Amino acid sequence: DAKTTQPNSMESNEEEPVHLPCNHSTISGTDYIHWYRQLPSQGPEYVIHGLTSNVNNRMASLAIAEDRKSSTLILHRATLRDAAVYYCILKSGSRLTFGEGTQLTVNP
Amino acid sequence: NAGVTQTPKFRILKIGQSMTLQCTQDMNHNYMYWYRQDPGMGLKLIYYSVGAGITDKGEVPNGYNVSRSTTEDFPLRLELAAPSQTSVYFCASSYWENTEAFFGQGTRLTVV
Repeated sequence: DAKTTQPNSMESNEEEPVHLPCNHSTISGTDYIHWYRQLPSQGPEYVIHGLTSNVNNRMASLAIAEDRKSSTLILHRATLRDAAVYYCILKSGSRLTFGEGTQLTVNP
Repeated sequence: NAGVTQTPKFRILKIGQSMTLQCTQDMNHNYMYWYRQDPGMGLKLIYYSVGAGITDKGEVPNGYNVSRSTTEDFPLRLELAAPSQTSVYFCASSYWENTEAFFGQGTRLTVV
């Protein structure tokens, strides 16, 4: 499985935008970029995914670099409920494997 | 719609005992996954299945077995439990390869 690199932790203030980066320099042409998050004491939940084009949904936006070697998850207005570990995953084929993720802290 | 249901939620096992962690989904999903998560760490893939009758090893399969006789169920079997298997276990399912995966609430297992 291709590897992703994320910062261990990030901080944000409530109601401000948050940009969570992910590097994936060894991405292959068939790898999709998935983002999941895990709130404390819960199972992971899906956030967003994309292949080449930027994607938006009700939770977040995903900006994918033109060379696809990096991507950024954008939370437009952070809330306290967005405090979680965010996982960037490259998915090609059947396996869904997680790295260590980024711990996001949201300050009131 | 129940989604992904895991039972039990908590379990304490003695070393050498065996048990089955149950996972069932009611979304007619083809893909199912088992993970373990040790404290402060990310999730590690144990086994996965792309359909009934098909299973494959993940990153950490040793000490575990799975079966997938129906689309709905994907039980995880622990034989000869060891303290190293103390962890939180998550089951997940998705309809296809690049669709949203849904996770259960987890089973917290302690082996003493």
